[in-house]
Amino acid sequence: GAVVSQHPSWVICKSGTSVKIECRSLDFQATTMFWYRQFPKQSLMLMATSNEGSKATYEQGVEKDKFLINHASLTLSTLTVTSAHPEDSSFYICSARHFLNTEAFFGQGTRLTVV
Amino acid sequence: DAKTTQPPSMDCAEGRAANLPCNHSTISGNEYVYWYRQIHSQGPQYIIHGLKNNETNEMASLIITEDRKSSTLILPHATLRDTAVYYCIVPTGTASKLTFGTGTRLQVTL
Repeated sequence: GAVVSQHPSWVICKSGTSVKIECRSLDFQATTMFWYRQFPKQSLMLMATSNEGSKATYEQGVEKDKFLINHASLTLSTLTVTSAHPEDSSFYICSARHFLNTEAFFGQGTRLTVV
Repeated sequence: DAKTTQPPSMDCAEGRAANLPCNHSTISGNEYVYWYRQIHSQGPQYIIHGLKNNETNEMASLIITEDRKSSTLILPHATLRDTAVYYCIVPTGTASKLTFGTGTRLQVTL
């Protein structure tokens, strides 16, 4: 299957700082990218959907000013967690899809720990 | 928007076929069914998807009932590495968002 690469795989940051997570589709152009987070023993929760060149659409309850999403090119989307706090510690996962009704491929995830 | 229902857990002996059911009784005519799995602490892995015909690839087979209200994912010869949480998803909305439910935790045993 196609490859989606996430970087970094894990990050530890201090409370109050910002962290940027990158998601790249390595061998296809991703018209749509999705960002999820997953808490221990829970399922993935969709945070936002982004289309290249457009503003992201956030799910209800997700603060768009806290979780900044940029999808500036067909192969790169970034998620910036601003002013991170310990409760933002989670597993963040991105997904990329070429066209509607085709399969989406997932990155390996980024484990964020805020101390 | 179609919702899916899966059993919370299943066991399967190594080497045997694992049959994972999914109900999606509210699916509409142009909505696909997707299957993903997540092995502990990794990103989900795409397995297979289909619309109305049965599908097969190197990983699994997908059997969709004629009325499309349910489907079954078949792993023909389960191995220990197939132990994972399996998600049956019908994408929702105009953006065809992949919304994950609780899935089925498949435990493959010796």
